[in-house]
Amino acid sequence: EVQLVESGGGLVQPGRSLRLSCAASGFTFDDYAMHWVRQVPGKGLEWVSGITWNSGSIGYADSVKGRFTISRDNSKNSLYLQMNSLRVEDTALYYCAKDIGTYYDSGYPDYWGQGTLVTVSS
Amino acid sequence: QSVLTQPPSVSGAPGQRVTISCTGSSSNIGAGYDVHWYQQLPGIAPKLLIYGDNNRPSGVPDRFSGSKSGTSASLAITGLQAEDEADYYCQSYDSSLNVLWVFGGGTKVTVL
Repeated sequence: EVQLVESGGGLVQPGRSLRLSCAASGFTFDDYAMHWVRQVPGKGLEWVSGITWNSGSIGYADSVKGRFTISRDNSKNSLYLQMNSLRVEDTALYYCAKDIGTYYDSGYPDYWGQGTLVTVSS
Repeated sequence: QSVLTQPPSVSGAPGQRVTISCTGSSSNIGAGYDVHWYQQLPGIAPKLLIYGDNNRPSGVPDRFSGSKSGTSASLAITGLQAEDEADYYCQSYDSSLNVLWVFGGGTKVTVL
């Protein structure tokens, strides 16, 4: 059974940093691209970032480019999102999602984690 | 404002058929990019419901079906059941935006 478990969310002040983690199990992690997608409570979904199976190619939404960094450690079956210079508008539930394929820019998500809540507020 | 437009809510009695529209443009659905649908039960992570316009993953009941025409796609639920009460999101790819995936704003299905 595919499982994705996010952690690392919390309350943080604007301008500060936070690092999210996603622990994956139930599939061969290094065979698939992975993504972060966020959802403002009560609102829609927004793709944040994606990474290919070997970290060779990475993409970001314009809204987070230059502030967020996605990475993965295939030896630990883990995905990460380093979030710097956080803004109030980054407040959301952050989901880790598995892609159906190897490259982040040609598939779609077939499994999602439960999400970790990030609240940016002073 | 979501790139893909969905009605905020639809409702139906048990056993009825409901449809959810997802309207895009020539740079996403109209360009022929696949549309995927997700079901999100309250407090639960999204679940892939339909992929590649009209395909169901293993385990998804055949009460759920997808279609696409022009710049729009639709999700139909036939034989509506109480457990279908959830939020539904469409998703595609857009060639004109600096974002990989675009989503609809979501549609709340209420079973009367």
